Amino acid sequence: DTEVTQTPKHLVMGMTNKKSLKCEQHMGHRAMYWYKQKAKKPPELMFVYSYEKLSINESVPSRFSPECPNSSLLNLHLHALQPEDSALYLCASSQGLAGVESQYFGPGTRLTVL
Amino acid sequence: AQTVTQSQPEMSVQEAETVTLSCTYDTSESNYYLFWYKQPPSRQMILVIRQEAYKQQNATENRFSVNFQKAAKSFSLKISDSQLGDTAMYFCAFMKHGGRDDKIIFGKGTRLHILP
Repeated sequence: DTEVTQTPKHLVMGMTNKKSLKCEQHMGHRAMYWYKQKAKKPPELMFVYSYEKLSINESVPSRFSPECPNSSLLNLHLHALQPEDSALYLCASSQGLAGVESQYFGPGTRLTVL
Repeated sequence: AQTVTQSQPEMSVQEAETVTLSCTYDTSESNYYLFWYKQPPSRQMILVIRQEAYKQQNATENRFSVNFQKAAKSFSLKISDSQLGDTAMYFCAFMKHGGRDDKIIFGKGTRLHILP
């Protein structure tokens, strides 16, 4: 199984809503990532969870909150988002060891904030 | 800090032609990986090809091959016998070798159109 799965595929939410994005991989990878991608732009790294440690891109606002319940799951909790947060949210995973392999991406969740 | 530059924002070629996408990068590291990712309109990122910097031999994967020039810090992608399904955004990416967090740095992308 070389898949990274993400749910939901599409999400529409209001600025007062609380929602969560889910990412799962069963490749035994030790590192997982959340990226945000606006149209026609490259992905921007938001969070890295590797070796049970969370690394945060300092530019990411606190209304985004990652959670890693176990080594194969990575959630992204959303609260009080703004319309400019509308984007494609991509999850990825990698082996996470020195001499590493490539990152494998999920299909993404298209988020629209009204 | 590492940077990745793709100088061609958009390209169009006829089906069955060969096309080359350019990528240059800047780094002081000696050990690293370079990647080409494809992102079709469906938006899922797909790994096309990977090159380890310590390998002199250029990576190939079916119709996709790279021209890796380490001294010039150049990493171009050649697509032979292009197909309509190759229409996508292509991202060149860099990753340092040996880090605990495998952060990838992406170029801005080249939008490739394969015309029938």
